[in-house]
Amino acid sequence: AQSVTQLGSHVSVSEGALVLLRCNYSSSVPPYLFWYVQYPNQGLQLLLKYTSAATLVKGINGFEAEFKKSETSFHLTKPSAHMSDAAEYFCAVNLNDMRFGAGTRLTVKP
Amino acid sequence: EAGVAQSPRYKIIEKRQSVAFWCNPISGHATLYWYQQILGQGPKLLIQFQNNGVVDDSQLPKDRFSAERLKGVDSTLKIQPAKLEDSAVYLCASSSITRLAVTGELFFGEGSRLTVL
Repeated sequence: AQSVTQLGSHVSVSEGALVLLRCNYSSSVPPYLFWYVQYPNQGLQLLLKYTSAATLVKGINGFEAEFKKSETSFHLTKPSAHMSDAAEYFCAVNLNDMRFGAGTRLTVKP
Repeated sequence: EAGVAQSPRYKIIEKRQSVAFWCNPISGHATLYWYQQILGQGPKLLIQFQNNGVVDDSQLPKDRFSAERLKGVDSTLKIQPAKLEDSAVYLCASSSITRLAVTGELFFGEGSRLTVL
């Protein structure tokens, strides 16, 4: 069965610092992988998606993620955090249906 | 193109009352999903439709939850009677068969926030 695990329910960084949000997946075959962002009282917005075309995926707002099959990971990174990046981030995997991780809340300190 | 539309955005009811949520997917999308997102958790799939047929409802609490998509377009999710633990955001998502096959991507609405008192 497919699933994702997000390590760390809360991550806090200073403005301008590196953002690293961790996601590990479990799937018997190469899956589709996604990162979504959710701002307060809003729906889910797609940040980026992995569809096997390239292992390094670039998304919106300067975020990117690297698919590492050997580590079954799909960690999300951004070189320099901005205050506007503060939100909840969800990793998701889709084989037969979309399954989400528990989420990581990102706080950005001035 | 217009996105996934959901209503109402907010609903407050007392326990044991009933509530219904409506979803209008992106035009032409054959698949439609309802997710429940409890505060502090990731969305959990409740039911998946393809056209007007149910693909997966294994996680739908069928004693109180029901959903339909009679004409293969709009969908309604009903809760009757509501319990305190049903307080959550109910997200609707849709996708096309082609998009699913190529990227697996879903498109989400803004959600309907339910508070049960």
